[in-house]
Amino acid sequence: GAVVSQHPSWVICKSGTSVKIECRSLDFQATTMFWYRQFPKQSLMLMATSNEGSKATYEQGVEKDKFLINHASLTLSTLTVTSAHPEDSSFYICSARRGLLERTSVWEQFFGPGTRLTVL
Amino acid sequence: AQRVTQPEKLLSVFKGAPVELKCNYSYSGSPELFWYVQYSRQRLQLLLRHISRESIKGFTADLNKGETSFHLKKPFAQEEDSAMYYCALGTVNKFYFGSGTKLNVKP
Repeated sequence: GAVVSQHPSWVICKSGTSVKIECRSLDFQATTMFWYRQFPKQSLMLMATSNEGSKATYEQGVEKDKFLINHASLTLSTLTVTSAHPEDSSFYICSARRGLLERTSVWEQFFGPGTRLTVL
Repeated sequence: AQRVTQPEKLLSVFKGAPVELKCNYSYSGSPELFWYVQYSRQRLQLLLRHISRESIKGFTADLNKGETSFHLKKPFAQEEDSAMYYCALGTVNKFYFGSGTKLNVKP
């Protein structure tokens, strides 16, 4: 259980086009999902928190008009990279929050496999 | 501010040798700390968390609040342990990840 999928797993696009990445929780409902960006050999950088039925919360320095997030249902969040440029090329990972970890106030996160975006 | 530091980008050991992956954190509240592992071409997955005080795949990690550390240890490394390891600090709203340590276990 607790599987998170992402689609597509990789995408190549031309500069100036928009790309949509889907994140789905397959066997549980996730009111909150997270979008991360991972540069080669670097850590995961949290981009935004996606809340079902409300606006996403973006981390400092992340352009909300550039990275559009929609969380229309309890099992789906989408990240759209608008007017993509080569510097947007990266590995994008989503995670879904399921429930509180036992004896903590922290929610357990399950990660998707990631989407490799290459902008030419 | 919350911050997680993993000082080693790469750690190479021989099979059977002990391994310790370092993690230090700074957090003003009571920390919830985790180790995640990412095997080649696989997704990030939870390895262990400090609250459970468990041993997974032979790995253990002890939270040392005095030293603000949560180092990951294994007495005898195996080749299949080769992977990227991320230390993470969990809060009510979000997780903060360290920069990761690549563990390479040589035969």
